[in-house]
Amino acid sequence: QSALTQPASVSGSPGQSITISCTGTSSDVGGYNYVSWYQQHPGKTPKLIIYDVSDRPSGVSSRFSGSKSVNTASLTISGLQAEDEADYYCNSYTRDNTYVFGTGTKVSVL
Amino acid sequence: EVQLLESGGGLVQPGGSLRLSCAASGFTFGTYAMTWVRQAPGKGLDWVSGIRGNGDSTYYADSVRGRFIVSRDNFKNTLYLQMNSLTADDTAIYYCARMKGESFHRNWFAPWGQGTLVSVSS
Repeated sequence: QSALTQPASVSGSPGQSITISCTGTSSDVGGYNYVSWYQQHPGKTPKLIIYDVSDRPSGVSSRFSGSKSVNTASLTISGLQAEDEADYYCNSYTRDNTYVFGTGTKVSVL
Repeated sequence: EVQLLESGGGLVQPGGSLRLSCAASGFTFGTYAMTWVRQAPGKGLDWVSGIRGNGDSTYYADSVRGRFIVSRDNFKNTLYLQMNSLTADDTAIYYCARMKGESFHRNWFAPWGQGTLVSVSS
């Protein structure tokens, strides 16, 4: 199972919106509405921020939102803040009854 | 409060074996599927293995199938990962994570433990 494709880095200024893409195939992202997103600050453990494509766990800021079109899922961070600087990973359930992560995206706040 | 605490990591020679443990507390362990995810130094997340809440179904990434065995003891509230025939490519921090509900399928991972480092080197 090949990793889902994410841009290596995305940057934005405080207050701006940025979008991170996560491209897979019809065997994973395109075949199921079970895409989740994780935020990982340096030296910290990953944290779930989006599940089932667009749902947010309790306690996660509404500035984070998710969507999907065909084989590509997207994470949008609105009103970018310094604390959003982190690595972000998408994950999808697959046809093989396994899970696959994205390659990861480093978000920088300029 | 849900807590997951991994242990058992360390330095092992290529070809060697290691067993990781993940001690769970703060929830009814046997009613949740669990998973292992690893992260090589400076690299991304890599899904490794998972197990259903009652332990009767297990799942593996192709890269570890046949070498790793996931299991659980619902009386001890502990998840295990037996790792055999280790290579340098298995060097990583290994995290355990809880899944939503008893089923492994169509799920997500939260929360995560702090991880335990496995280093494979001669």
